[in-house]
Amino acid sequence: AQTVTQSQPEMSVQEAETVTLSCTYDTSESNYYLFWYKQPPSRQMILVIRQEAYKQQNATENRFSVNFQKAAKSFSLKISDSQLGDTAMYFCAFMKHESWEGSNYKLTFGKGTLLTVNP
Amino acid sequence: ETGVTQTPRHLVMGMTNKKSLKCEQHLGHNAMYWYKQSAKKPLELMFVYSLEERVENNSVPSRFSPECPNSSHLFLHLHTLQPEDSALYLCASSRTIGPSGSTGTDTQYFGPGTRLTVL
Repeated sequence: AQTVTQSQPEMSVQEAETVTLSCTYDTSESNYYLFWYKQPPSRQMILVIRQEAYKQQNATENRFSVNFQKAAKSFSLKISDSQLGDTAMYFCAFMKHESWEGSNYKLTFGKGTLLTVNP
Repeated sequence: ETGVTQTPRHLVMGMTNKKSLKCEQHLGHNAMYWYKQSAKKPLELMFVYSLEERVENNSVPSRFSPECPNSSHLFLHLHTLQPEDSALYLCASSRTIGPSGSTGTDTQYFGPGTRLTVL
C-alpha cells in the first residue's frame, strides 16, 4: 500500500516571499503520478500541479514548481512570490499507474499542510 | 468554479433521518467519485463510478448508499448515520479512470463539498 506524508501541518510565509511545502511517499511502484491540490477556506479543492514519475523534468505551473526526487521519494512544492490568495490547505497525492484499462483512479492523499500567507 | 457542483453545501441531520447528497458535473466526464474528508485525516475514497457502473466500494458501511443515474449525476443516500460520520463529503469527476499516460485525463476535479453534521 502507498502512503503519503506531509510533515508540516502548518506553515506561514510573508507575501511576495517563497515557501516550500514538503511531501514524501512510500511505494514499491516505478510508474505513478504525483499531484498537489489546493483547498482554500470554504472553497473547492483544485489541482495545482501534476508530475509523471517517468519524467525527470520537474513540473512547473506559473509560480508553482515541484522538486521531484524519485530516488528519495520526495515531491516538494515551491510557491514563488506568494500571494494572499495562496492561503489554503495543500494536499499532496499519489496515484499508481495501472497498465490495464479502468484502474487509474485511486488517489492516496497526505493529511495536508495549512499555508497562511501574511500581508 | 462551476465544473462540479454539490448540494446542499451544509446539512445537519439526526441519526434516524434519511437524506441525500447530490453532485453534478458539467465537464462531460465519465467517472465520478465520493470522498470523505474528516478533520486531521487524509481524504478517504468511498465510491467510484465509471460510465454509471460502480467500480469501487472502499469498505464503506451500508448506511451510505451511492447512486449514479447517468454520467453527470451522482448521489449519496444517507440513513441511520452515526455522529462519527460527520465530515466534509467531496464529489469529484474525471474524464476517464485511465490509463491516461501523460494526457492527464484521469485528473480529478472536485466539487465544493457538503459539510455534514450528524447529531
